[in-house]
Amino acid sequence: NAGVMQNPRHLVRRRGQEARLRCSPMKGHSHVYWYRQLPEEGLKFMVYLQKENIIDESGMPKERFSAEFPKEGPSILRIQQVVRGDSAAYFCASSSDSSQPQHFGDGTRLSIL
Amino acid sequence: KQEVTQIPAALSVPEGENLVLNCSFTDSAIYNLQWFRQDPGKGLTSLLLIQSSQREQTSGRLNASLDKSSGRSTLYIAASQPGDSATYLCAVTNQAGTALIFGKGTTLSVSS
Repeated sequence: NAGVMQNPRHLVRRRGQEARLRCSPMKGHSHVYWYRQLPEEGLKFMVYLQKENIIDESGMPKERFSAEFPKEGPSILRIQQVVRGDSAAYFCASSSDSSQPQHFGDGTRLSIL
Repeated sequence: KQEVTQIPAALSVPEGENLVLNCSFTDSAIYNLQWFRQDPGKGLTSLLLIQSSQREQTSGRLNASLDKSSGRSTLYIAASQPGDSATYLCAVTNQAGTALIFGKGTTLSVSS
Protein backbone atom coordinates (compact mmCIF):
# COMPACT_ATOMS: atom_id res chain seq x y z
CA ASN A 1 0.00 0.00 0.00
CA ALA A 2 1.65 3.21 -1.16
CA GLY A 3 -0.76 5.50 0.68
CA VAL A 4 -0.34 7.53 3.85
CA MET A 5 -0.16 5.13 6.79
CA GLN A 6 -1.31 6.09 10.24
CA ASN A 7 -1.12 4.00 13.38
CA PRO A 8 -2.69 3.08 15.56
CA ARG A 9 -6.17 3.33 14.02
CA HIS A 10 -7.72 3.53 17.46
CA LEU A 11 -6.05 4.64 20.70
CA VAL A 12 -7.55 4.71 24.17
CA ARG A 13 -5.86 6.61 26.97
CA ARG A 14 -6.77 7.62 30.51
CA ARG A 15 -6.65 11.25 31.54
CA GLY A 16 -3.08 12.31 32.33
CA GLN A 17 -1.41 9.72 30.08
CA GLU A 18 0.57 10.41 26.92
CA ALA A 19 -0.65 9.70 23.39
CA ARG A 20 1.70 9.12 20.46
CA LEU A 21 0.28 9.11 16.95
CA ARG A 22 2.40 7.99 14.01
CA CYS A 23 2.26 8.89 10.33
CA SER A 24 4.29 7.48 7.46
CA PRO A 25 3.88 9.68 4.36
CA MET A 26 3.48 8.41 0.86
CA LYS A 27 6.70 7.31 -0.79
CA GLY A 28 8.53 10.31 -2.17
CA HIS A 29 6.62 12.84 -0.05
CA SER A 30 8.60 15.03 2.29
CA HIS A 31 5.77 17.36 3.42
CA VAL A 32 3.54 16.23 6.29
CA TYR A 33 0.47 17.92 7.72
CA TRP A 34 -1.58 17.08 10.84
CA TYR A 35 -5.28 17.89 11.22
CA ARG A 36 -7.79 17.28 14.02
CA GLN A 37 -11.50 16.56 13.58
CA LEU A 38 -13.52 17.11 16.73
CA PRO A 39 -17.03 15.65 17.00
CA GLU A 40 -19.54 17.75 15.04
CA GLU A 41 -16.77 20.06 13.80
CA GLY A 42 -14.79 20.33 10.60
CA LEU A 43 -11.16 19.41 10.17
CA LYS A 44 -8.76 21.91 11.68
CA PHE A 45 -5.14 22.35 10.65
CA MET A 46 -2.61 21.77 13.39
CA VAL A 47 0.96 21.66 12.03
CA TYR A 48 2.98 21.42 8.81
CA LEU A 49 6.40 19.81 8.77
CA GLN A 50 9.12 19.04 6.29
CA LYS A 51 11.92 16.65 7.12
CA GLU A 52 13.36 17.69 10.49
CA ASN A 53 11.68 21.11 10.36
CA ILE A 54 8.41 22.57 11.62
CA ILE A 55 7.23 25.03 8.96
CA ASP A 56 3.88 26.17 10.39
CA GLU A 57 2.49 25.23 13.81
CA SER A 58 -0.11 27.99 14.01
CA GLY A 59 -2.95 25.53 14.60
CA MET A 60 -1.33 23.55 17.39
CA PRO A 61 -2.23 24.21 21.03
CA LYS A 62 0.70 25.86 22.80
CA GLU A 63 0.78 23.38 25.65
CA ARG A 64 0.93 19.57 25.77
CA PHE A 65 1.10 19.11 21.98
CA SER A 66 4.26 18.59 19.94
CA ALA A 67 5.14 17.21 16.52
CA GLU A 68 8.26 15.97 14.83
CA PHE A 69 9.29 14.54 11.48
CA PRO A 70 12.78 13.07 11.91
CA LYS A 71 15.21 12.35 9.13
CA GLU A 72 14.47 8.66 9.50
CA GLY A 73 11.11 7.21 10.46
CA PRO A 74 7.54 8.43 10.68
CA SER A 75 6.17 11.76 11.78
CA ILE A 76 4.98 11.72 15.40
CA LEU A 77 2.23 13.81 16.98
CA ARG A 78 2.62 13.68 20.75
CA ILE A 79 0.00 14.74 23.27
CA GLN A 80 1.11 14.86 26.90
CA GLN A 81 -1.22 14.68 29.91
CA VAL A 82 -4.28 14.05 27.78
CA VAL A 83 -7.67 15.46 28.77
CA ARG A 84 -11.20 14.49 27.70
CA GLY A 85 -11.29 17.36 25.20
CA ASP A 86 -8.44 15.75 23.24
CA SER A 87 -10.82 13.00 22.08
CA ALA A 88 -10.99 13.38 18.30
CA ALA A 89 -9.90 11.90 15.01
CA TYR A 90 -6.38 12.96 14.07
CA PHE A 91 -5.52 12.89 10.38
CA CYS A 92 -2.17 13.07 8.70
CA ALA A 93 -1.64 14.14 5.11
CA SER A 94 1.42 14.28 2.89
CA SER A 95 2.42 15.92 -0.37
CA SER A 96 5.46 16.08 -2.63
CA ASP A 97 5.46 19.86 -2.31
CA SER A 98 3.07 22.54 -1.09
CA SER A 99 1.56 23.15 -4.56
CA GLN A 100 0.49 19.53 -4.96
CA PRO A 101 -2.64 17.82 -3.55
CA GLN A 102 -2.48 16.57 0.00
CA HIS A 103 -3.14 12.86 0.39
CA PHE A 104 -4.72 11.75 3.64
CA GLY A 105 -4.39 8.71 5.85
CA ASP A 106 -7.36 6.96 7.47
CA GLY A 107 -6.76 8.75 10.77
CA THR A 108 -6.26 7.78 14.40
CA ARG A 109 -9.35 7.86 16.62
CA LEU A 110 -8.23 8.94 20.08
CA SER A 111 -10.55 8.29 23.00
CA ILE A 112 -9.82 9.60 26.49
CA LEU A 113 -11.42 7.80 29.43
CA LYS B 1 -9.43 35.05 9.03
CA GLN B 2 -10.42 32.64 6.26
CA GLU B 3 -13.75 30.88 6.73
CA VAL B 4 -15.18 28.19 4.48
CA THR B 5 -18.92 27.48 4.36
CA GLN B 6 -20.67 24.61 2.62
CA ILE B 7 -24.33 24.54 1.72
CA PRO B 8 -26.40 22.45 2.12
CA ALA B 9 -25.22 20.53 5.19
CA ALA B 10 -27.09 17.44 3.99
CA LEU B 11 -28.69 16.38 0.72
CA SER B 12 -30.77 13.36 -0.29
CA VAL B 13 -31.43 12.58 -3.94
CA PRO B 14 -32.67 9.60 -5.98
CA GLU B 15 -30.23 7.75 -8.17
CA GLY B 16 -29.60 9.33 -11.55
CA GLU B 17 -30.04 12.94 -10.54
CA ASN B 18 -27.52 15.63 -11.33
CA LEU B 19 -26.62 17.72 -8.30
CA VAL B 20 -24.56 20.70 -7.21
CA LEU B 21 -22.72 21.21 -3.94
CA ASN B 22 -21.76 24.72 -2.93
CA CYS B 23 -18.71 26.12 -1.17
CA SER B 24 -17.94 29.73 -0.28
CA PHE B 25 -14.87 31.32 1.27
CA THR B 26 -14.36 34.76 2.77
CA ASP B 27 -10.81 35.61 1.63
CA SER B 28 -10.11 35.41 -2.11
CA ALA B 29 -6.33 35.26 -1.54
CA ILE B 30 -6.12 31.50 -1.85
CA TYR B 31 -3.38 29.27 -3.23
CA ASN B 32 -5.77 26.60 -4.50
CA LEU B 33 -9.06 24.86 -3.70
CA GLN B 34 -9.58 21.16 -3.23
CA TRP B 35 -12.68 18.95 -3.04
CA PHE B 36 -12.53 15.76 -0.96
CA ARG B 37 -14.77 12.84 -0.23
CA GLN B 38 -14.91 11.27 3.24
CA ASP B 39 -16.58 7.93 3.92
CA PRO B 40 -17.64 7.08 7.52
CA GLY B 41 -14.66 6.08 9.66
CA LYS B 42 -12.26 6.70 6.83
CA GLY B 43 -9.81 9.32 5.72
CA LEU B 44 -10.22 11.82 2.92
CA THR B 45 -9.96 11.05 -0.76
CA SER B 46 -8.92 13.94 -2.96
CA LEU B 47 -11.37 14.41 -5.85
CA LEU B 48 -10.31 17.57 -7.63
CA LEU B 49 -7.78 20.36 -7.10
CA ILE B 50 -8.20 23.75 -8.76
CA GLN B 51 -5.24 26.12 -8.78
CA SER B 52 -6.06 29.77 -8.06
CA SER B 53 -5.43 30.66 -11.72
CA GLN B 54 -7.86 28.03 -13.04
CA ARG B 55 -11.64 28.23 -13.46
CA GLU B 56 -12.59 24.54 -13.42
CA GLN B 57 -11.44 20.94 -13.31
CA THR B 58 -13.17 17.78 -14.47
CA SER B 59 -12.77 14.14 -13.56
CA GLY B 60 -15.28 11.63 -14.87
CA ARG B 61 -18.75 12.56 -13.62
CA LEU B 62 -17.35 15.33 -11.42
CA ASN B 63 -16.81 18.95 -12.40
CA ALA B 64 -15.58 21.64 -10.02
CA SER B 65 -15.61 25.36 -10.74
CA LEU B 66 -13.86 28.22 -9.01
CA ASP B 67 -14.78 31.91 -8.97
CA LYS B 68 -12.17 33.58 -6.82
CA SER B 69 -13.60 37.08 -7.12
CA SER B 70 -16.93 36.02 -5.61
CA GLY B 71 -15.36 33.51 -3.23
CA ARG B 72 -17.30 30.52 -4.53
CA SER B 73 -16.79 27.03 -5.81
CA THR B 74 -19.27 24.39 -6.92
CA LEU B 75 -18.95 20.64 -7.28
CA TYR B 76 -21.24 19.21 -9.93
CA ILE B 77 -21.97 15.48 -9.84
CA ALA B 78 -23.64 14.05 -12.93
CA ALA B 79 -25.90 11.00 -12.92
CA SER B 80 -25.52 10.31 -9.20
CA GLN B 81 -25.14 6.73 -7.96
CA PRO B 82 -25.64 5.13 -4.51
CA GLY B 83 -21.86 4.72 -4.32
CA ASP B 84 -21.56 8.52 -4.34
CA SER B 85 -23.08 8.63 -0.84
CA ALA B 86 -20.47 10.22 1.42
CA THR B 87 -19.51 13.54 2.99
CA TYR B 88 -18.00 16.01 0.54
CA LEU B 89 -15.52 18.52 1.90
CA CYS B 90 -14.30 21.73 0.34
CA ALA B 91 -10.95 23.16 1.44
CA VAL B 92 -8.88 26.16 0.44
CA THR B 93 -5.14 26.38 0.85
CA ASN B 94 -3.92 29.50 2.55
CA GLN B 95 -1.78 31.84 0.47
CA ALA B 96 1.40 30.57 2.09
CA GLY B 97 0.46 27.12 0.84
CA THR B 98 0.96 25.59 4.27
CA ALA B 99 -2.53 24.67 5.48
CA LEU B 100 -5.91 23.52 4.23
CA ILE B 101 -8.92 25.32 5.69
CA PHE B 102 -11.98 23.11 5.57
CA GLY B 103 -15.70 23.61 5.46
CA LYS B 104 -17.89 21.34 7.59
CA GLY B 105 -18.99 19.36 4.57
CA THR B 106 -22.14 18.29 2.77
CA THR B 107 -23.39 14.80 3.57
CA LEU B 108 -24.86 13.28 0.42
CA SER B 109 -27.21 10.33 0.35
CA VAL B 110 -28.16 8.79 -3.02
CA SER B 111 -30.99 6.28 -2.88
CA SER B 112 -31.49 3.49 -5.41
